[in-house]
Amino acid sequence: EPEVTQTPSHQVTQMGQEVILRCVPISNHLYFYWYRQILGQKVEFLVSFYNNEISEKSEIFDDQFSVERPDGSNFTLKIRSTKLEDSAMYFCASSEAGRREAFFGQGTRLTVV
Amino acid sequence: GQNIDQPTEMTATEGAIVQINCTYQTSGFNGLFWYQQHAGEAPTFLSYNVLDGLEEKGRFSSFLSRSKGYSYLLLKELQMKDSASYLCAGLAAAGNKLTFGGGTRVLVKP
Repeated sequence: EPEVTQTPSHQVTQMGQEVILRCVPISNHLYFYWYRQILGQKVEFLVSFYNNEISEKSEIFDDQFSVERPDGSNFTLKIRSTKLEDSAMYFCASSEAGRREAFFGQGTRLTVV
Repeated sequence: GQNIDQPTEMTATEGAIVQINCTYQTSGFNGLFWYQQHAGEAPTFLSYNVLDGLEEKGRFSSFLSRSKGYSYLLLKELQMKDSASYLCAGLAAAGNKLTFGGGTRVLVKP
């Protein structure tokens, strides 16, 4: 069964460093998303991406965040200068079409120290 | 803000039925998803309701009433592996953003 894959599964980084989280969405899906979940809290929307551009972003997704689809298969989330409060599980998701069920990857646990 | 409310925790016995309720602001959303999330894992899709009524899928059923801003997920013939968090998520009226509730942790006891 096709699945969304994310790497790495865990990342520890020092405050102020840049991190890139990588995702390979399901191959025939057209919409891509990043969500995050701080430990013990709700899953929160960060950004959606369609047709090589951001279609929607939340207040969390400030200038420190960026997304890119560098080639036909990868979808990345970059955090330019990490803060302690960026520590969370970051989930990539994709959907075949808009307003359809999104399938989530296994997540990258980011720890900022 | 646009809230999705669901109970924090429920306990049920193996083989029983459990109903997890979810309420939301009707003006904010135009569809309701249910996801299952085991601790430390990704949410996995269970069901999607965009029209009023009951959708049945094996041991899982989901109901939506758009006028009341109310949905429930029904889990039948509970198994130990059903112990997990169940997340209610509203689809925005415009766009593709999901707004999640805090999740209901279901504990299935023997």
